[in-house]
Amino acid sequence: ETGVTQSPTHLIKTRGQQVTLRCSSQSGHNTVSWYQQALGQGPQFIFQYYREEENGRGNFPPRFSGLQFPNYSSELNVNALELDDSALYLCASSNGRVSGNTIYFGEGSWLTVV
Amino acid sequence: AQRVTQPEKLLSVFKGAPVELKCNYSYSGSPELFWYVQYSRQRLQLLLRHISRESIKGFTADLNKGETSFHLKKPFAQEEDSAMYYCALSGSGLRGRAQKLVFGQGTRLTINP
Repeated sequence: ETGVTQSPTHLIKTRGQQVTLRCSSQSGHNTVSWYQQALGQGPQFIFQYYREEENGRGNFPPRFSGLQFPNYSSELNVNALELDDSALYLCASSNGRVSGNTIYFGEGSWLTVV
Repeated sequence: AQRVTQPEKLLSVFKGAPVELKCNYSYSGSPELFWYVQYSRQRLQLLLRHISRESIKGFTADLNKGETSFHLKKPFAQEEDSAMYYCALSGSGLRGRAQKLVFGQGTRLTINP
């Protein structure tokens, strides 16, 4: 059973640029969530995808968007990057969209915006 | 509003001493509470959940709805317990029934030898 994998692990972007982060969900999982973790803070929910459809969104602007593919892997896209977007971006997968299923996290992608 | 508060950013205790990491929450409904742990250079992982009522690595946590708390306890701390601990609450997203986790700020626990 493979775990949640994310890429890239680290990247540096310039303000105004766009970034795409990728996530492969754990085998057998059809639900992927993305979280942003700023330094010294707990993770904050960005959005969730279930069977290729967005299934809930946190308090993030529209320039944060995502996709889920038929194999349940996912991408997080951020447009018009701002300095405050610098954070660890975590992907989490689970089986199903109801409460009770264990959520597994990836190691994250560190994004620095300069 | 859903909120999780961990009042201590840092907690340091000696090996063998009892440990209590505090967590308070606000949620209008029946909450589902979790403790997640992140050891050095490892990913965030589930430690325990209140519905399981289990003890993991000697840790327990009881949901107190009257005090809206879910404190994590261990009677005798071990050096390998040093890690970052996050309390989390499961609630719905703005749309649909997303299993959204709301995290506290985290408590860094250090066990001194």
